This record gives sequence, structure tokens and C-alpha cells, in this order.
Amino acid sequence: EAGVAQSPRYKIIEKRQSVAFWCNPISGHATLYWYQQILGQGPKLLIQFQNNGVVDDSQLPKDRFSAERLKGVDSTLKIQPAKLEDSAVYLCASSVTSGGAGEQFFGPGTRLTVL
Amino acid sequence: DQQVKQNSPSLSVQEGRISILNCDYTNSMFDYFLWYKKYPAEGPTFLISISSIKDKNEDGRFTVFLNKSAKHLSLHIVPSQPGDSAVYFCAAASNSGYALNFGKGTSLLVTP
Repeated sequence: EAGVAQSPRYKIIEKRQSVAFWCNPISGHATLYWYQQILGQGPKLLIQFQNNGVVDDSQLPKDRFSAERLKGVDSTLKIQPAKLEDSAVYLCASSVTSGGAGEQFFGPGTRLTVL
Repeated sequence: DQQVKQNSPSLSVQEGRISILNCDYTNSMFDYFLWYKKYPAEGPTFLISISSIKDKNEDGRFTVFLNKSAKHLSLHIVPSQPGDSAVYFCAAASNSGYALNFGKGTSLLVTP
């Protein structure tokens, strides 16, 4: 079974530029998550999709971050404009169902450096 | 605010000995607790979980203990192996909410 795919793996941009990350979840997984992991911290949920609907985006900085999940499969996360504090690893995860007991499978992440 | 806390940033253990990783939480509404393991340049991988209705769950060398009254859980690895060297994240979630709340992680080093 293929895992969660993410691209690019690394990205370096200057502040005020825009950037987009792509995620392809495990086939059949209805729930997709985007997490931000700042160095030395645990992952923090940015947004959660159930199929193509948003379940939770309470911690997404909506003035600069946006995400979509077209057709309930792939997802993109965009930052525009980027700030220095956005430097982090962006992790995508998916699960069969939502809820606390549903094991989440993580992709390798995209490491973003904002200069 | 940090609802899940891992107060030990790092732990070093000799091969063959027991590794004990600790985690505390503040939200009494959490129903499930999970441990994830992370190697460098990889995403976290699920290790073991426990429901709040249990106090112990075992899977091979890994055992998680939950003390609800103390809002504390621990992961025991016996015996520890060099391949266990990784960052371990404690996470918690409730049935009514969906997000996993992660601790900051504990870096485990198992030396030969």
C-alpha cells in the first residue's frame, strides 16, 4: 500500500513570496490533515478535511494560508505572502475516519525555509 | 496553550535496558492517547495507542500505561534496541474533537 505522498520535499523562498505544497493521501482515506511542525515543537494541526469539506480550520492563519481538497482526494496548501515565522516542516496526514481513535498516517513532510 | 506536555527533551538508555518516556496532559476530555515515532527526514509513524477506559496496552516490546487521575501516561520499551533511537511524540484526542494534540517530543538515544 502506497503511503502519503508530499511534494516538494524542500523549498526555500524569500519572505513575501508565495509557495504551495501538494499532498496525495492514501487511497480510500476520507480524512486529510495538514500540520505545521516548527523546530523543537510537536506538529500543530492547521486544517482538517473530511472528503472535500473542511472540518476544522480554527488554527489556520487565514490571512495568508489557504488550503483546498478538490474531489476529496489530493490537497494543496498555499502560503501567500510568506513570513519568516512560517519556516517549518509541513506535514500531511490521512486517516480512514476522523475522530480520536483513527490512526493517522503521515507523509514525509515539506521543509520550508523562509529567508 | 500546551495541553500535552513531554517534559524530558531527551533520554539516553543502554541497549537491552528499559526506556521510559513520560507524558502529561491537562484536558480531561481526551479519550485517546497515542505515541508516534519519528526518524529524521521522515513523517511520524504510529506506534501504539490507548483508550481512556484502559490503563495499559501492550504490543510486543512497547507498553503504554495510563493514569487518568494523574493525567499521566508513559511508554515503556523493553528491551531497548539501537533502532529505537528516534523522537517520540505523545498525542491525545477526544471523540468530540478531531485534532491530535501533540507534545514537543522526547529524543531517545539507545547506545550499544
